Amino acid sequence: AQKVTQAQTEISVVEKEDVTLDCVYETRDTTYYLFWYKQPPSGELVFLIRRNSFDEQNEISGRYSWNFQKSTSSFNFTITASQVVDSAVYFCALSGDSGSARQLTFGSGTQLTVLP
Amino acid sequence: GAGVSQSPSNKVTEKGKDVELRCDPISGHTALYWYRQSLGQGLEFLIYFQGNSAPDKSGLPSDRFSAERTGGSVSTLTIQRTQQEDSAVYLCASSLAQAWGREQFFGPGTRLTVL
Repeated sequence: AQKVTQAQTEISVVEKEDVTLDCVYETRDTTYYLFWYKQPPSGELVFLIRRNSFDEQNEISGRYSWNFQKSTSSFNFTITASQVVDSAVYFCALSGDSGSARQLTFGSGTQLTVLP
Repeated sequence: GAGVSQSPSNKVTEKGKDVELRCDPISGHTALYWYRQSLGQGLEFLIYFQGNSAPDKSGLPSDRFSAERTGGSVSTLTIQRTQQEDSAVYLCASSLAQAWGREQFFGPGTRLTVL
């Protein structure tokens, strides 16, 4: 069975602060994909990034960066110089490579509030 | 191109009634997924369609839930004899075929309230 844990239920920061959202996963598959999605107050899930299990390179996209470490089964997400528009619920998700593991298994989400 | 669309956006029904929720995937996406998002359970997988293959129904919570996908495009999720615990946001997603692990693109969801 696969599992995604986002231990931080809520985080509140002041604008321009950096913030890191933690994600820890469990899977028996050797090949898998990890994702981050953003769910703003409007409700629609927005895809942010996909990373496969063989690519441990960190990635940076503008103010967003992701740190994938297989040794600790973590895929953390950092927002640099946060903005009010970053306020949303962020979900980490996992997709395995065997049968029913192929659907997305989501973490419980982290509610990020960026205060002006 | 248009994204994933879902209708209705909101549905209020009485306990015991049947409801149908509709999903229009992104054109060209042959993989289609249904998820449910509720306060107590988070985001849960319900069912997955891939082309003409038999759907993966492993996430359906009971036999009151069913889904079909006609012509490889539009999908309908049906909940029979609705219960109050069925109240949730039902999300549909689609992705490109044949390549598992592809990002899934989500619709805006249907908020179902069972009174």
